[in-house]
Amino acid sequence: DTEVTQTPKHLVMGMTNKKSLKCEQHMGHRAMYWYKQKAKKPPELMFVYSYEKLSINESVPSRFSPECPNSSLLNLHLHALQPEDSALYLCASSQGTLGGEQFFGPGTRLTVL
Amino acid sequence: EDQVTQSPEALRLQEGESSSLNCSYTVSGLRGLFWYRQDPGKGPEFLFTLYSAGEEKEKERLKATLTKKESFLHITAPKPEDSATYLCAVQAGGYQKVTFGTGTKLQVIP
Repeated sequence: DTEVTQTPKHLVMGMTNKKSLKCEQHMGHRAMYWYKQKAKKPPELMFVYSYEKLSINESVPSRFSPECPNSSLLNLHLHALQPEDSALYLCASSQGTLGGEQFFGPGTRLTVL
Repeated sequence: EDQVTQSPEALRLQEGESSSLNCSYTVSGLRGLFWYRQDPGKGPEFLFTLYSAGEEKEKERLKATLTKKESFLHITAPKPEDSATYLCAVQAGGYQKVTFGTGTKLQVIP
């Protein structure tokens, strides 16, 4: 299995909702990443997990809460989001924990009403 | 701070018209330079990793090259299916974060 999967593909939520994004990889990669991408902009790093431990938090607001239950699974819990949080949320993984090429999932298109 | 600049922002080519995309970078201790292709609404697709000046990688109609200050993505005889945004990214040594450029949007017209 050489792909990163993300669910759901699309998500619409209100500002008071709680929802979660899910990411899975079965390539044995030891690092996993969350990115946020706005239209016509490059991906913007949010979080990095290495060996299931949070290693980088790019000063992301606490309404985004990451979780890495095991080496293959990465979640992003969402609560009390703002309309400006609407974006494509991308998950990626890499074999090494010092980076290297990252393999991206198809993304979750999030709309906050 | 690591910086990546891509040019041009957009490029329109006729099918079969070869061209090059540029990625200029400033990074302290380059660990790797990466090229990705991204189709609208989808995640970036990994193309190449370059590690040191002088290195070249090829895949079908694409060839990536690297110097100490920039990288080029050469597209030979492009086809309409090569239309996408091409992203360049750099990683400094011993650091997990990858810095992306803003991309070049390529359109190949039949």
